[in-house]
Amino acid sequence: AQSVTQLGSHVSVSEGALVLLRCNYSSSVPPYLFWYVQYPNQGLQLLLKYTSAATLVKGINGFEAEFKKSETSFHLTKPSAHMSDAAEYFCAVSGSGSARQLTFGSGTQLTVLP
Amino acid sequence: EPEVTQTPSHQVTQMGQEVILRCVPISNHLYFYWYRQILGQKVEFLVSFYNNEISEESEIFDDQFSVERPDGSNFTLKIRSTKLEDSAMYFCASSVDRSSGEQYFGPGTRLTVT
Repeated sequence: AQSVTQLGSHVSVSEGALVLLRCNYSSSVPPYLFWYVQYPNQGLQLLLKYTSAATLVKGINGFEAEFKKSETSFHLTKPSAHMSDAAEYFCAVSGSGSARQLTFGSGTQLTVLP
Repeated sequence: EPEVTQTPSHQVTQMGQEVILRCVPISNHLYFYWYRQILGQKVEFLVSFYNNEISEESEIFDDQFSVERPDGSNFTLKIRSTKLEDSAMYFCASSVDRSSGEQYFGPGTRLTVT
């Protein structure tokens, strides 16, 4: 079985500051890991994914994440926050079932302060 | 850019009524999914569908739920007798295959059961 823990349900950063959103996973098989972003009243948009290739993954909008097997982590970072980054961010792990359903974390609401 | 679409965007129904939520996955995708997000909670997997049959289902997906691909484009989720606790945002997703695990989500249908 897979599970995802996101530390911090709310994170606030100043515009221009580093964004760090934490995600730890548990998986009995080599995981596929994802970060999704949800803007208000919208669906889930894929930011980036790790599928056992490079451990540092670059995504859209300047985000990146590093897979660390020893720490079972997949933290999301962005060097400089922009007001438009304010949204809810979900970490997810792909299951080992035939259809690879996603197991999501509880989400982190990112607020960007002017 | 191809996208997953869902209709309606918002559905209000009375307890005990049947509802059908509709999705049009991306045209060359083969795997289809339903997830739900109760307000303030995690996104939860309901069911996956491949080759015209259910491939995985969660504990949430009980006898009240069913899925169907009635034609070559639509993918539906039916709730036979809605309960108050079925109130949630329902997301459809699709994936071209299972190797990447990459799923594309629709904007969701907000179901309100009164």
